[in-house]
Amino acid sequence: DIVMTQSPDSLAVSLGERATINCKSSRSVLYSPNNKNYLAWYQHKPGQPPKLLTYWASTRESGVPDRFSVSGSGTDFTLTISSLQAEDVAVYYCQQYYTAPYTFGQGTKLEIK
Amino acid sequence: EVQLLESGGDLIQPGGSLRLSCVASGFLLGSYTMTWVRQAPGKGLEWVSGLCNGADNTYYTESVKGRFTISRDRSKSTLYLQMNSVRAEDTAIYYCAKGRAANCDSPLDYWGQGTLVTVSS
Repeated sequence: DIVMTQSPDSLAVSLGERATINCKSSRSVLYSPNNKNYLAWYQHKPGQPPKLLTYWASTRESGVPDRFSVSGSGTDFTLTISSLQAEDVAVYYCQQYYTAPYTFGQGTKLEIK
Repeated sequence: EVQLLESGGDLIQPGGSLRLSCVASGFLLGSYTMTWVRQAPGKGLEWVSGLCNGADNTYYTESVKGRFTISRDRSKSTLYLQMNSVRAEDTAIYYCAKGRAANCDSPLDYWGQGTLVTVSS
């Protein structure tokens, strides 16, 4: 199985500041024939179902603000929130959908400092 | 509007069986990959099982192989998860989620609210 490891486990950032979450996969999730990274990010708020933020590593889902961006390829990825808003408080998960089982990272809890 | 509504969660004794259901609306169930994801108390998300490519392909995480079975009834627009020989570590909120495409390698763009399964004697 591909192991997804996120860092840090938790993060406190001031409103308006940048938040950065890392995700590392134990094997590359880049499929060379189509040059796509099979990597998604989700936002999970208490009492709500998870919400898809990005897929193919850096393609934002419809309606996701452009303050959310993703960089990286292969095994190392970074989710950046450029200017933290109060509504961004949540747990963030990366997930590889390259090969089953389609594993998630352990999650990163993002809070306001 | 896409909606997923899970049901069937309950308190169940170790070794018992339970069937979860997920009624889908707003899209054709047979045209997309469908997945069960769970979250144990205080833990993160865990991918459990997926059904894709017209149900020709089913996948399971290792810990549920041979115990859980995913299936769907297109006529009822319903996804199922049959859970047998349940263990305490199966205690979790179980989410039904829809993939963005029919093929297995799809991110999950819609999720239900979840149903709680508690395994305890």
